[in-house]
Amino acid sequence: GAVVSQHPSWVICKSGTSVKIECRSLDFQATTMFWYRQFPKQSLMLMATSNEGSKATYEQGVEKDKFLINHASLTLSTLTVTSAHPEDSSFYICSARDLKRSNTEAFFGQGTRLTVV
Amino acid sequence: TQLLEQSPQFLSIQEGENLTVYCNSSSVFSSLQWYRQEPGEGPVLLVTVVTGGEVKKLKRLTFQFGDARKDSSLHITAAQPGDTGLYLCAGRSYNTDKLIFGTGTRLQVFP
Repeated sequence: GAVVSQHPSWVICKSGTSVKIECRSLDFQATTMFWYRQFPKQSLMLMATSNEGSKATYEQGVEKDKFLINHASLTLSTLTVTSAHPEDSSFYICSARDLKRSNTEAFFGQGTRLTVV
Repeated sequence: TQLLEQSPQFLSIQEGENLTVYCNSSSVFSSLQWYRQEPGEGPVLLVTVVTGGEVKKLKRLTFQFGDARKDSSLHITAAQPGDTGLYLCAGRSYNTDKLIFGTGTRLQVFP
């Protein structure tokens, strides 16, 4: 299957600093990537849709200035959590769609656990 | 707001038992996917169903898409400890093309 890689797998940062998470599609081109957030023992909540070469579309309630998304190429999208606070601690997961393979399937990265102290 | 409710939320069974997980919504989806997620990892796609009434089998797992494309079920036969995990259904919206995740079912299979 298609491979999506996230980096880092986990990160601990101090309150007030910014953290960048990368999402790469390794063996396919992804015109669209999605960023999700998952709290412990809960399901995935869509934060934003990232389109290559254009601005991301954010879900209601997600602060675009706090969660900066850049999708500069067909294989890379980044999520930057700016001025992180402890309440931003969560599991962040990206997914990407390979439109050549299927227009219905999305493949997920392994996730990034962010802990803000 | 499109919601996907899964039931049960938690399921704890002995090895060898059968189980069914349900995924229900009032919305119609263009496709529905089932994922399994283990702690600290991303969801792994199990199956995609597209046609109303469609049934797909993956070894001991049987997936069904409702006729009206609003609901789905996952049946596991003779569960094994390796089946333990969080099972998530996800429907793709006709209107927005976004993937909406269900509330999740946490399955634990004891040896």
